[in-house]
Amino acid sequence: DAKTTQPNSMESNEEEPVHLPCNHSTISGTDYIHWYRQLPSQGPEYVIHGLTSNVNNRMASLAIAEDRKSSTLILHRATLRDAAVYYCILSLGIYNTNAGKSTFGDGTTLTVKP
Amino acid sequence: DSGVTQTPKHLITATGQRVTLRCSPRSGDLSVYWYQQSLDQGLQFLIQYYNGEERAKGNILERFSAQQFPDLHSELNLSSLELGDSALYFCASSVDVVFGNSPLHFGNGTRLTVT
Repeated sequence: DAKTTQPNSMESNEEEPVHLPCNHSTISGTDYIHWYRQLPSQGPEYVIHGLTSNVNNRMASLAIAEDRKSSTLILHRATLRDAAVYYCILSLGIYNTNAGKSTFGDGTTLTVKP
Repeated sequence: DSGVTQTPKHLITATGQRVTLRCSPRSGDLSVYWYQQSLDQGLQFLIQYYNGEERAKGNILERFSAQQFPDLHSELNLSSLELGDSALYFCASSVDVVFGNSPLHFGNGTRLTVT
């Protein structure tokens, strides 16, 4: 299985930027990098995804290292509503025998302080 | 709202019983994934269906089975329930056979309590 490694927890102050790191050293060329977040008692929510280039959307930015072995989710201005568990996962390429079996690790619990 | 509907929201049953969890994917999505989330574990991938056919299997117990119907809704059947099966069960859907360049959309889950 293609695994990702994330810090267990991070803290941020409200209105400040947050950089959530993720290592995925075993990534293959066709694997996409996805980020999801989960609030208590809710299903995971899609945040952003990318393949090689950096990506921006209304929720966040995704910075992907040149060798693709790591990525960083950037929340530009953290709010209290951003407090959640953030998961970085790989969507394995269609020719990977484990395609579809994307593994969610333990994620990073983000605490936002007012 | 992700567009993925899971029913029921809560289910309480006794050990040894059998239950069925239902998932309606987002309109247009052909893939359905099932995940189990226990208190002491993260999201564990169980099984994936694409357009009615099983595509990938995780560490799904033999007591568990699933299917995807022609209208693309899916059901997860859990039988001979044990206390350890108590968990949140999530369904997710995506457009393609692998969710690579399209998001996974999750439902709000079914909370199963086995007493």
